[in-house]
Amino acid sequence: DSGVTQTPKHLITATGQRVTLRCSPRSGDLSVYWYQQSLDQGLQFLIQYYNGEERAKGNILERFSAQQFPDLHSELNLSSLELGDSALYFCASSVVTDTQYFGPGTRLTVL
Amino acid sequence: AQSVTQPDIHITVSEGASLELRCNYSYGATPYLFWYVQSPGQGLQLLLKYFSGDTLVQGIKGFEAEFKRSQSSFNLRKPSVHWSDAAEYFCAVGEGSGGSNYKLTFGKGTLLTVNP
Repeated sequence: DSGVTQTPKHLITATGQRVTLRCSPRSGDLSVYWYQQSLDQGLQFLIQYYNGEERAKGNILERFSAQQFPDLHSELNLSSLELGDSALYFCASSVVTDTQYFGPGTRLTVL
Repeated sequence: AQSVTQPDIHITVSEGASLELRCNYSYGATPYLFWYVQSPGQGLQLLLKYFSGDTLVQGIKGFEAEFKRSQSSFNLRKPSVHWSDAAEYFCAVGEGSGGSNYKLTFGKGTLLTVNP
């Protein structure tokens, strides 16, 4: 158990819908990262937040957005969902620029 | 931009045999290097990491990795594989632009099958 929690574990939804994935970092970690794992793209970095501020952006679609709240939990919002958005979404946390500890992931299925 | 190559998509070894998983990276500065393992349906677990210092690093579950700057490699090894080591292994390089900006770039992974 890494100490990073993600909810829900599984999510099944339809094309065009919007979903929210939630992540709680390890106690004391200020940085939260979101990654997408799919069969064709592998593991890809989406976005990083540090103490409530966006710090780094990767291959994140405009339909996707994230935020980190004052209690340091983070949410990843995915809208206008397409079949190709089906993937495993991981959250990770770290103290600063240090080892990233990953949560168990949220499996998103878009039908 | 940094990149990570894991040349072997799938490796099969017998239980008790030695193991080496290859990883090559491309990065301009001194890299932060990691190996993670993912069991089916599970998240990513950190096996070991290299930031600086001794180029041979020890990790959990009896794994070790050696950083070779001249070869841009960070290969993972284990002297005797156990059936429970069957999983997918990911090599990653960390990139930061200073301060708190930081992200990991992963290889495509190597799936390890262990035969009894």
